[in-house]
Amino acid sequence: AQSVAQPEDQVNVAEGNPLTVKCTYSVSGNPYLFWYVQYPNRGLQFLLKYITGDNLVKGSYGFEAEFNKSQTSFHLKKPSALVSDSALYFCAVSEGDDKIIFGKGTRLHILP
Amino acid sequence: DAGVIQSPRHEVTEMGQEVTLRCKPISGHNSLFWYRQTMMRGLELLIYFNNNVPIDDSGMPEDRFSAKMPNASFSTLKIQPSEPRDSAVYFCASSLRPELFYGYTFGSGTRLTVV
Repeated sequence: AQSVAQPEDQVNVAEGNPLTVKCTYSVSGNPYLFWYVQYPNRGLQFLLKYITGDNLVKGSYGFEAEFNKSQTSFHLKKPSALVSDSALYFCAVSEGDDKIIFGKGTRLHILP
Repeated sequence: DAGVIQSPRHEVTEMGQEVTLRCKPISGHNSLFWYRQTMMRGLELLIYFNNNVPIDDSGMPEDRFSAKMPNASFSTLKIQPSEPRDSAVYFCASSLRPELFYGYTFGSGTRLTVV
């Protein structure tokens, strides 16, 4: 069965600095990988996905993620953080069936 | 499109009472998912439907939980009887198959408190 791990409960970054939110996964076949963001009192919003192709995936709000098959990782990145990026971020994985399994989330704090 | 609509936004009930959560998916979407979010367990998939048919309910915690999708535009999640440990935020999400290419659209959730 597929699983996903987000090793950091919280990440603090100064505004303007680059940010990275870590994610590792486990699947039996080829992974389908996703990042979602959740703002307070809101549902999750889709940021980006990796299905196949280029290992560097670009998504909404200037975010990108790099798929690394050898390290089974899919870290979320942004070159320059904004205070408005502060939110809860979820990594998710699927094996290609209908189910998407979410990590526990990482709370990102961007400090002004 | 108004997105995925969930009601109520907040529900406070006493232990032992029946609770019904409602979801209206995005028109045209043919897959619907119910998730539960808690601090301890994160986001858990409870059940999902394709074309109104339940496909996988292995995440439903107990027989006290049941879900229905009588038509393409409406689904309910019922807890009877409710217990304090059911307190959580319940999310509904919908998708146009294949889910993996379109992603999910989530509702704003129902915050359930059982006292």
